[in-house]
Amino acid sequence: KNQVEQSPQSLIILEGKNCTLQCNYTVSPFSNLRWYKQDTGRGPVSLTIMTFSENTKSNGRYTATLDADTKQSSLHITASQLSDSASYICVVRRMDSNYQLIWGAGTKLIIKP
Amino acid sequence: TAGITQAPTSQILAAGRSMTLRCTQDMRHNAMYWYRQDLGLGLRLIHYSNTAGTTGKGEVPDGYSVSRANTDDFPLTLASAVPSQTSVYFCASRGFLAGGTSDEQFFGPGTRLTVL
Repeated sequence: KNQVEQSPQSLIILEGKNCTLQCNYTVSPFSNLRWYKQDTGRGPVSLTIMTFSENTKSNGRYTATLDADTKQSSLHITASQLSDSASYICVVRRMDSNYQLIWGAGTKLIIKP
Repeated sequence: TAGITQAPTSQILAAGRSMTLRCTQDMRHNAMYWYRQDLGLGLRLIHYSNTAGTTGKGEVPDGYSVSRANTDDFPLTLASAVPSQTSVYFCASRGFLAGGTSDEQFFGPGTRLTVL
């Protein structure tokens, strides 16, 4: 069954600290993996997209890693800011003709001052 | 550029009533999508359209219908609403960022629907 599991469900950290969010997937055949940020009351916004051959990709203070062999990805946030408070969603695209995306339930991150 | 707009922002609807959620994009993207987002679950695809004049069923299409008369508009209709359709509905389109090599999905701000 095509699934995307994220952990932890929620996380609270102090401003300025680093954190790492995890994503495990069983989606096959794999096309790419995306991380989205969703602020409360808003639609998701793409942070990174990684294909099978990419191990790491950065977007400012966000760094995503991908291990296609173990089917795991992580999103590392460096020097967190209050504006990082959001849900972070891992999404895997299946390689098929209908552009099917499998969405994780997200990790809710709260940054406290 | 407005991107994707959705209307209404929120709505309370009596069970059995019909309603159309509106979605408009100004990016000239061919592909558009409707998702619902429920607490503790990932986004689930309701219907999609790869290009104007065509539509397809997603993961949870029952109780919903869509049309795609032109590139810009992709309305979602609930013919007879039920409480289980209480959710946040997101419309999205797919295209490329300027200078980008991978396609992206761009989301509207969502419609919060409560069916009583």
